[in-house]
Amino acid sequence: GIQVEQSPPDLILQEGANSTLRCNFSDSVNNLQWFHQNPWGQLINLFYIPSGTKQNGRLSATTVATERYSLLYISSSQTTDSGVYFCAVAWGGADGLTFGKGTHLIIQP
Amino acid sequence: NAGVTQTPKFQVLKTGQSMTLQCAQDMNHNSMYWYRQDPGMGLRLIYYSASEGTTDKGEVPNGYNVSRLNKREFSLRLESAAPSQTSVYFCASSASRMNTEAFFGQGTRLTVV
Repeated sequence: GIQVEQSPPDLILQEGANSTLRCNFSDSVNNLQWFHQNPWGQLINLFYIPSGTKQNGRLSATTVATERYSLLYISSSQTTDSGVYFCAVAWGGADGLTFGKGTHLIIQP
Repeated sequence: NAGVTQTPKFQVLKTGQSMTLQCAQDMNHNSMYWYRQDPGMGLRLIYYSASEGTTDKGEVPNGYNVSRLNKREFSLRLESAAPSQTSVYFCASSASRMNTEAFFGQGTRLTVV
């Protein structure tokens, strides 16, 4: 099956800092999503981005499908950005999404 | 809109007991999914229903059964719970298979003792 690798696994930053999270995948994908799992366990949709670039406030994402990676940018971090960020892909060999193991982000005040 | 609603939010079972997790979506989506999340890991697919009337196994189906009751509802049943099924369970839906955005419920935290 497809492999989805996220880096870094853990990241600790001060409030106001910027960060870049990376997602590499081993095969062509039909769909790529970024999620934020908050400290209460909810999965929040951030981006549906099989290719190209999207922005939503302080967050933006870029997927380069031909090179099999996606990046999530967080600018001017706030403590509410803390949590786990997951990349998940849908590919031709399976239904549903295949998730990476996530990046655990801690924003300190 | 409620989106995807799961019940219950928390459950404790004894080994060997059975229970059904309920999921309903109000987005008129065709496809629905059940995932489990274990500590330090991403979600893994248990079962899915590509459309009303169909169900198929995902990556980790052993010990579970599902029912697509109608277009809105997709339930997950544990017939004889085991400690290895202690996990957080998420239901999701999408407009169609694979190529459309998936939306998740708030999760059910299940402990089997």
